[in-house]
Order: sequence, then C-alpha cells, then structure tokens
Amino acid sequence: GQQLNQSPQSMFIQEGEDVSMNCTSSSIFNTWLWYKQDPGEGPVLLIALYKAGELTSNGRLTAQFGITRKDSFLNISASIPSDVGIYFCAGPNRDDKIIFGKGTRLHILP
Amino acid sequence: GAVVSQHPSRVICKSGTSVKIECRSLDFQATTMFWYRQFPKQSLMLMATSNEGSKATYEQGVEKDKFLINHASLTLSTLTVTSAHPEDSSFYICSAERENRYEQYFGPGTRLTVT
Repeated sequence: GQQLNQSPQSMFIQEGEDVSMNCTSSSIFNTWLWYKQDPGEGPVLLIALYKAGELTSNGRLTAQFGITRKDSFLNISASIPSDVGIYFCAGPNRDDKIIFGKGTRLHILP
Repeated sequence: GAVVSQHPSRVICKSGTSVKIECRSLDFQATTMFWYRQFPKQSLMLMATSNEGSKATYEQGVEKDKFLINHASLTLSTLTVTSAHPEDSSFYICSAERENRYEQYFGPGTRLTVT
C-alpha cells in the first residue's frame, strides 16, 4: 500500500542550528500535513499544504509541497529546546484516509 | 481554537474488565472523529472512523466487538475496550476534523495499562 517515508529517522543537533527533514512517497499525494508530537501527548498540527509547489511558514517552521507531489520537506530555523519531539508527515491515501510516516525524532544536545 | 480533550489521561485496569475513553471537541463540532493506537516509538495506527449518528468504520484487523465506538453527539465520541487483555495496553489517541478536510486535531491521548 501507499507509504510515507521520513528521513532522517532521528537527528541530534545543537541549539540554534537549522533543521531540515523530509517525507517522500512512491505515489502522489494531494495534501501534505506536518505534525509534532511531544512525549506522552497527542500530535499537534503544524502546517498543512494543499498545492504542489506551495511554501508555507508557521513562525520558525517552513514546509514545502514538492512539485512532483511525491515529497515534502519541513525546515526549522534557529532551533530551541522546545523543538524537541517527533515530527510526523501525513497525507490522505487512495482510500482518503490519513496515513502517517514513522516520524523524525529531533534531539537537541545540551 | 480546535481543542480536543480526552479522558482519562491514564488508566490501569485488570484483565477481563472494560474501559471507556472519552474524546470531546471543546470549541467546535465534529461530525467525524478518529481513533488511533500508538505503540512505543511507533507511528499512529488508525483503528476506526467515528461518524456522528451512524456506525463507526473499522480498519482491517480491528475487532469491532472488542473496540466499541459511539459518537452520540457532535462533540463526543467514546471508545470502549471490552474484556481488556495485557496486549491491549497502548496509547490511544482520538482526533477530530474541523472545517478543512484532512486537518485533524488530536486529543492528548490515553495511556491504557492492562494488568
């Protein structure tokens, strides 16, 4: 079935660094969603993308809907400690159900 | 806006008992809510789609008689885990759709431990 592949699986960065992660699929998606999940909490919607090529920002976060419609990336600028967590990409599959990638775990080194 | 609550946040029950988890949309009406299950360090797995006023739609492999879903109003869906077993221990998360299709707003989750 359709899958969303996220990379990297985990990242270890210094506070203040910029972060880039992506999400790819072998099939086309018409919507890309990016969520963040803190430990023991539900995911929080960060950015929703609806059009190929769309670039959307939410504070220090920027996400882009790839023009091939098979990928999306999320950038975080000037990372801070509260950025730690798991970032999931998601999108509706052929059955119109939202599927999630396996997540990118962001760690910030002290 | 778009706040979803879950209750309880954490529950421990004995094997063979039933547990009810509530999911409420606090500041909007949700005709569709979703129930997910998440194992440690895993992604979210959709269990069922809960539709207000009608029967829930279950994903393949999810036992509808074990995981009872009721969506009695536009702001409340409940998941009852019946005859719970230790393998049902997991993190259960609900979500609700608001105006924009596909944009789901998640509750804080319920940690179920079956002893």
